[in-house]
Amino acid sequence: GQNIDQPTEMTATEGAIVQINCTYQTSGFNGLFWYQQHAGEAPTFLSYNVLDGLEEKGRFSSFLSRSKGYSYLLLKELQMKDSASYLCAVSYQLTFGKGTKLSVIP
Amino acid sequence: GAVVSQHPSRVICKSGTSVKIECRSLDFQATTMFWYRQFPKQSLMLMATSNEGSKATYEQGVEKDKFLINHASLTLSTLTVTSAHPEDSSFYICSGREGDRGNEQYFGPGTRLTVT
Repeated sequence: GQNIDQPTEMTATEGAIVQINCTYQTSGFNGLFWYQQHAGEAPTFLSYNVLDGLEEKGRFSSFLSRSKGYSYLLLKELQMKDSASYLCAVSYQLTFGKGTKLSVIP
Repeated sequence: GAVVSQHPSRVICKSGTSVKIECRSLDFQATTMFWYRQFPKQSLMLMATSNEGSKATYEQGVEKDKFLINHASLTLSTLTVTSAHPEDSSFYICSGREGDRGNEQYFGPGTRLTVT
C-alpha cells in the first residue's frame, strides 16, 4: 500500500520562503511529483523528482531523499497568487497526498 | 505544454440517470488516461487507469459497472456514470500521459457533477 503525509494547512507572508514537507511509504517508487491546485480547478504540474537531491525551477524547488521517504517543496518570494493547495504524489500511477493548503498573507 | 480538455465542465443530472464525461488530449497522443474523483476538501482519488484499446483497470472500491470507461482512441477517453446517485456528486478529473514523455501526466480542467 501507499501512505503519503503532508501538513494540512500552512500560512506564510508575502515575499517570504515556505517549505512544504511530504513523507511517504510506498510498496514501489517511480518518482515523486508536486502539483499546485487552486480551488475548483485541476492540478497543475510543478516538479518531478526521481533521483535524490534538489531540483530548482524558478521560484520553486523540490527535494527528494528516497532513503528517508521524504520530499519537500520550497517556494521563494511568495506571492498572493501562490495561495493554493499543494499536492505531493508518488509512484507510477499517481497516488496523491491530502494536500497542503497554503495561505499567503500580506 | 500538453493540453487536455474535458466536456462538460459542469453537469447537473437527476438521480437514476446516466452522465457521460469526455476527456480529450488535444496536442498529444495519450496512450494512458487516468480518471480521478475529488470530494470537497479532499485529495484526488484515482478511480481507474485506461490504456488505448484495452479494458480499464479499476482501483479497489470503484464499481466498474457503475463507472464505465472507454478509451477508444489515443485522444479520447470517456467516463459514464450510470444510474447516478447524489453521493456521486463530485469533481471528476482526467489526465493523460504520452508514452515517450515519461511519467508526467497532463490534467484536464475537471467536470463538476451534481446529482439531484
